[in-house]
Amino acid sequence: GNSVTQMEGPVTLSEEAFLTINCTYTATGYPSLFWYVQYPGEGLQLLLKATKADDKGSNKGFEATYRKETTSFHLEKGSVQVSDSAVYFCALTSQGGSEKLVFGKGTKLTVNP
Amino acid sequence: ETGVTQSPTHLIKTRGQQVTLRCSSQSGHNTVSWYQQALGQGPQFIFQYYREEENGRGNFPPRFSGLQFPNYSSELNVNALELDDSALYLCASRSGTALNTEAFFGQGTRLTVV
Repeated sequence: GNSVTQMEGPVTLSEEAFLTINCTYTATGYPSLFWYVQYPGEGLQLLLKATKADDKGSNKGFEATYRKETTSFHLEKGSVQVSDSAVYFCALTSQGGSEKLVFGKGTKLTVNP
Repeated sequence: ETGVTQSPTHLIKTRGQQVTLRCSSQSGHNTVSWYQQALGQGPQFIFQYYREEENGRGNFPPRFSGLQFPNYSSELNVNALELDDSALYLCASRSGTALNTEAFFGQGTRLTVV
């Protein structure tokens, strides 16, 4: 079945450090890929998405590229801020699953000043 | 534009009881999905409603049931509550069912079963 594997956290960085959160997936067909962010005490917010191979999603300085050959969608940011502290979820949707979102377990990021 | 709203925000129930959670979808959205997020885990798909019909279900027992109303708001009902049902329940709405349409999430209902 469809699944998403994220690097295990927690991840702790200093402000202005480079961030990478790894995400790989298993899916039938051609999934759409997403990164969601969850701030403390809140629901999920879409951070970025990519719908086909080689697409790059970007938002708020975050980027991720849909790599079909490596079935990956790693999240990167060149310079993190304290306000980026949150839990990040990689997710996919694919045909044959009611277009449901399949999520990874999440990676908690803490950015220290 | 009103976003996705869920009620109540927090709830404590006793094992064996029944609970109803509510979700108002974002304006113009006719698809509502429900997810269960256990502590420290990613959300797990429960089911989805499109134009008042269930059109997909995850690996949850029949005591998890739902409804969608003509205004596209939705309810999640859970019967015979178990301790493991303690979780954050998230509702998401979107327009249509295409794979790449963005799902907008509510802030969730935190259910604690004691």
